[in-house]
Amino acid sequence: AQSVAQPEDQVNVAEGNPLTVKCTYSVSGNPYLFWYVQYPNRGLQFLLKYITGDNLVKGSYGFEAEFNKSQTSFHLKKPSALVSDSALYFCAHNRMDTGTASKLTFGTGTRLQVTL
Amino acid sequence: NAGVTQTPKFQVLKTGQSMTLQCAQDMNHEYMSWYRQDPGMGLRLIHYSVGAGITDQGEVPNGYNVSRSTTEDFPLRLLSAAPSQTSVYFCASSPGLSYNEQFFGPGTRLTVL
Repeated sequence: AQSVAQPEDQVNVAEGNPLTVKCTYSVSGNPYLFWYVQYPNRGLQFLLKYITGDNLVKGSYGFEAEFNKSQTSFHLKKPSALVSDSALYFCAHNRMDTGTASKLTFGTGTRLQVTL
Repeated sequence: NAGVTQTPKFQVLKTGQSMTLQCAQDMNHEYMSWYRQDPGMGLRLIHYSVGAGITDQGEVPNGYNVSRSTTEDFPLRLLSAAPSQTSVYFCASSPGLSYNEQFFGPGTRLTVL
């Protein structure tokens, strides 16, 4: 089955330290991969996506993600975490052959907690 | 642009009641979707639409109906509410094609007693 996995329910990091939120995928062919963030009592907001090309993707709020085909991973990173980055982060994928944006498959989410 | 709007924000139902969750977008997006979010399970696709008059089932469609009479609106109907439908519901829209990101509404928190 096509899926994405987020192995960590929660990630804790001190403000100013680098952060990584992990995502691995199991998708036949070339995937379209996305990261979304959800702040408390809000809808999901798009952060970044990998379609093709450069394996390092830069997104909103200083986040970036590295696509690694050999490890089937798409980890979200930020060089210096902020308390305001504390939120729920979702990895998602869409298959290239669906032809529709409506069939996103989401991971279970990782809660990021950044402390002073 | 208001983006994707959802009403109501909160709703409490009794088992067996029916209701409609409203979703509208003003971005002229062809694609619209409904998801439910449950703790530890991420978001799961309920129904989606690729344009006015066209809908299809997602991963968890049972107990829900949808219709798409206009590009802007995509209501989700609960036919006979059950406690298992207690969840947060999100509507999303997209310009189309699988490499486009989706735009999400603020959500409706539904409790079924």
